[in-house]
Amino acid sequence: EPEVTQTPSHQVTQMGQEVILRCVPISNHLYFYWYRQILGQKVEFLVSFYNNEISEKSEIFDDQFSVERPDGSNFTLKIRSTKLEDSAMYFCASREALYDYTFGSGTRLTVV
Amino acid sequence: EDKVVQSPLSLVVHEGDTVTLNCSYEVTNFRSLLWYKQEKKAPTFLFMLTSSGIEKKSGRLSSILDKKELSSILNITATQTGDSAIYLCAAGGGYQKVTFGTGTKLQVIP
Repeated sequence: EPEVTQTPSHQVTQMGQEVILRCVPISNHLYFYWYRQILGQKVEFLVSFYNNEISEKSEIFDDQFSVERPDGSNFTLKIRSTKLEDSAMYFCASREALYDYTFGSGTRLTVV
Repeated sequence: EDKVVQSPLSLVVHEGDTVTLNCSYEVTNFRSLLWYKQEKKAPTFLFMLTSSGIEKKSGRLSSILDKKELSSILNITATQTGDSAIYLCAAGGGYQKVTFGTGTKLQVIP
């Protein structure tokens, strides 16, 4: 069964450092998303991406965040200067048309 | 602002019991409601519901959407310890984001 792949599975970074979280969506999917889940809290939407541009973003997705699809297969989330409160599980998801979202297994980001 | 509310927040049942999990939503331009099971990591897809009154089934799990009441239920019959997880409901409009509820934590004890 096709999968959304995320790397790394766990990343520890120092406050103020830049991190890039990587995702490889399912190959024929056209819509891509990033969500995050702070420990013990609900899954929150960050950004959606379609046709090589952001189609919607949440209030969380401020200037410190950016997304890119650099080579037609990878989909990345960059956090420019991490804060302690960015510590969370970050999920990438993709979908084909209106069918089910497929989530990746997540990257646990720990900012120290 | 879109909102999804799940109840109960947590539930403890014995193996073999039947459980019903509830989800209500207020979503602009609603198109679909999704149920997920979350164990240790990523949510895994259970159902997507778009039409009111049509039950979807997968083994011991079933779900139905009521667009008039803006709600959905997830039923699990003959529960097993492997059903222990957080069950997430999410609702969305079209191709855009989905909004998640806080989840129902189900614990099935032998």
